[in-house]
Amino acid sequence: DAKTTQPPSMDCAEGRAANLPCNHSTISGNEYVYWYRQIHSQGPQYIIHGLKNNETNEMASLIITEDRKSSTLILPHATLRDTAVYYCIVRVAYGGSQGNLIFGKGTKLSVKP
Amino acid sequence: DAGVIQSPRHEVTEMGQEVTLRCKPISGHNSLFWYRQTMMRGLELLIYFNNNVPIDDSGMPEDRFSAKMPNASFSTLKIQPSEPRDSAVYFCASITGTGVVAFFGQGTRLTVV
Repeated sequence: DAKTTQPPSMDCAEGRAANLPCNHSTISGNEYVYWYRQIHSQGPQYIIHGLKNNETNEMASLIITEDRKSSTLILPHATLRDTAVYYCIVRVAYGGSQGNLIFGKGTKLSVKP
Repeated sequence: DAGVIQSPRHEVTEMGQEVTLRCKPISGHNSLFWYRQTMMRGLELLIYFNNNVPIDDSGMPEDRFSAKMPNASFSTLKIQPSEPRDSAVYFCASITGTGVVAFFGQGTRLTVV
């Protein structure tokens, strides 16, 4: 079972920041928080990941709370092409059985003009 | 690199026939995942290989499903005999030894009639 909880859907106005929350209250100390997204019918695409520090890349920012029980993915200036299902996943970053990449139901983000 | 390559992209077969889906992971990646995606059940992990060895096949629905990874550059998922309820999009993903980022193929859309 997925170890994360996300809202099923969210709307965002084009050009505004999209803030997608994720709860992972049972996260272990060696588990990372990963975010992927899936644009209609395509394979999931990696966005960003982090352990405990906030992270930023060209796609998004990841804010992880100090207790690591929740996080927020931020798309600073959402475009129509960001409409997708966003998945938050917790996973250890090495092989073995703990390395399973388990997807939950995700959040369907709709960016509106 | 061409990314994770799956074939065929689309497959239509009759109930009872054998179906073989193929995946070529990214060179140098030593972990491989097979997923099945349907509207009802979302993205389900079927099996996970690490260094060509199946680590966790608990997601394989039943004995009709089998997966192999004879070498680091090739994996197959076989369904024999196929049933209409197997209709889904099947994704393959590969990941580096450090386990940071998983890259997904474009999927195989299977329709069993």
